[in-house]
Formats: sequence, C-alpha cells, structure tokens
Amino acid sequence: EDQVTQSPEALRLQEGESSSLNCSYTVSGLRGLFWYRQDPGKGPEFLFTLYSAGEEKEKERLKATLTKKESFLHITAPKPEDSATYLCAVRLPNTGNQFYFGTGTSLTVIP
Amino acid sequence: GAGVSQSPSNKVTEKGKDVELRCDPISGHTALYWYRQRLGQGLEFLIYFQGNSAPDKSGLPSDRFSAERTGESVSTLTIQRTQQEDSAVYLCASSLSWTGTDTQYFGPGTRLTVL
Repeated sequence: EDQVTQSPEALRLQEGESSSLNCSYTVSGLRGLFWYRQDPGKGPEFLFTLYSAGEEKEKERLKATLTKKESFLHITAPKPEDSATYLCAVRLPNTGNQFYFGTGTSLTVIP
Repeated sequence: GAGVSQSPSNKVTEKGKDVELRCDPISGHTALYWYRQRLGQGLEFLIYFQGNSAPDKSGLPSDRFSAERTGESVSTLTIQRTQQEDSAVYLCASSLSWTGTDTQYFGPGTRLTVL
C-alpha cells in the first residue's frame, strides 16, 4: 500500500497562474511531512517541514499547509524559475529515521 | 560552508562488476542517509547512519548492497555484482542530528548505469 501519493504527476502553468500540488498520506501518527524541490540533475533541496494539522509555512511564492490526511503546496503567481519537481516525504512512526517519499509533481511554468 | 558532496557524479559499469560510491557529509552532521532514485520514481530509503550507533540497514534491497561510515565522516556505498536493475541515481543526505526533525541536506547524486 502506498504511503505517500502526490498529484498531479505533471502540471503546466502559465506564468502568474496560481495552483496547488497535493501530497496525501495513509498513515497515522505522522512525525513530520517534508517538501523538497528537485531540479534536473541535482539533489532535492529542502523547502518546508510541517508537523501538525493546521500548520502552515510560507517562503516567497510557496505556501505549505497540512491536514490530517494531506498536504498542499500552494504556488502563487509562479515564475519560470519555479519549474522543478516537487517532492513530499513523510517520517513514519516506529520506523526509526526512515523517510518515505512520493514520486513527485513535475511543474513547468511557461513564460 | 561546503554542502554534501558525492563522487563520482556518473559511473558506467558492466553487469557483474563491483562499484563504490562515496559521500562526504556536511561537517558536524551526525546523521547520514543513502537513497536510490530510479527514473520516474520517488526516493527509496536504503540505509542511515547515526554517529557510532549501529546503522539502520532495513532499506537495502539485497545482500549485494553494503555501506560503511567511519565515525561522522565519509560514507561509501558498495554494490557488488551489479545488475541492470541497479541503474539509478544514488543520493546521499546528511542532517545535524538523528532525531529526524532536522533538515536533510542532499548531495547532487551519483548516476549509475549498468550495461
């Protein structure tokens, strides 16, 4: 059973067209949900960590929110440089330090 | 300060050969993680080290995979008798502590191609 599911797999936006990426998880007792950005040929770059439902964090045009079953990464007025793959990961209870990653959403922002 | 570095950046090998991948974590980071990322898939946990504690090897896919770390420094991931399905990007990450709440900083990865 998939622990972390991201949708959509790919998203194309016009510059300035706001949207949201989804990360849903099927576990309880979450010990943190993490968002990363990954550019082609590079390792993931940390964006946010969320720990409890209702928590929100912002960074420039990005805002991450968390509910009991999913997280959203909202992108406001995106720019072409926001084009990347966005990954979410969860740290599960009783698994030591194992992090489970989704397959990512590939975002393309068209000028 | 320098980030996580990995070498080589690319490795092409023949089926059946052994390969060794290297990770240099950020200085002072006590936790180190190895992941595998196959094309179009998410990151797959392989192993993590915390200081001098016994590593969590539960993610290693077979006994052909092994990893070592000396103290809180360099780590090497060794794949013996490589198979074509081992082709992937191998990513290393380090974090300040083992609690898991600390941010993981990733290296650029090693792209392994097994012919």
